Amino acid sequence: NAGVTQTPKFRVLKTGQSMTLLCAQDMNHEYMYWYRQDPGMGLRLIHYSVGEGTTAKGEVPDGYNVSRLKKQNFLLGLESAAPSQTSVYFCASSYAGDIQYFGAGTRLSVL
Amino acid sequence: EDKVVQSPLSLVVHEGDTVTLNCSYEVTNFRSLLWYKQEKKAPTFLFMLTSSGIEKKSGRLSSILDKKELFSILNITATQTGDSAVYLCAVERNYGGSQGNLIFGKGTKLSVKP
Repeated sequence: NAGVTQTPKFRVLKTGQSMTLLCAQDMNHEYMYWYRQDPGMGLRLIHYSVGEGTTAKGEVPDGYNVSRLKKQNFLLGLESAAPSQTSVYFCASSYAGDIQYFGAGTRLSVL
Repeated sequence: EDKVVQSPLSLVVHEGDTVTLNCSYEVTNFRSLLWYKQEKKAPTFLFMLTSSGIEKKSGRLSSILDKKELFSILNITATQTGDSAVYLCAVERNYGGSQGNLIFGKGTKLSVKP
């Protein structure tokens, strides 16, 4: 019973490098989300998707892109990483958009 | 601007104590309020509240919502060291034309000492 799986768990990048975070869910959920969590800031929504092939911006979308080519996967991309993107990233999914189930998180450091 | 405010931000108690965590909100297009527990990693779901005055209960944890005064409380009775965690309050709202967007408070860090 995997639920929501995020890869990788940890990553260190240099400024200007790019990377993709992968989120996979096996619950057949329509809704998927990417958040970042910073000390003293709580969880903030980056981008979300309400179904396969759809994406939308959240509260803090700048510097990130996403894709939802398959219902079970939601990818978060950083094209040119900046130190301000050092954070813990959480993916979540939801059946009806209310109760969200979270992955274990990806800790990203940008040097 | 929509916001969710939790208090206190941190709390230290001893095993057996009862604690009350607070969550107030100012959110347009309110749909529901949710509580999560976050230990080391992923937030895990505790309660979803949609109606005022109806208490949700699970073991030693309970929660209630007041939609008139725009707040919710989470009570934990007979606390145990395993209750040590950050408790997150989130409000679901319609956002950008879609339902299912959560705005989170900053959390209350609860430490339970033996």
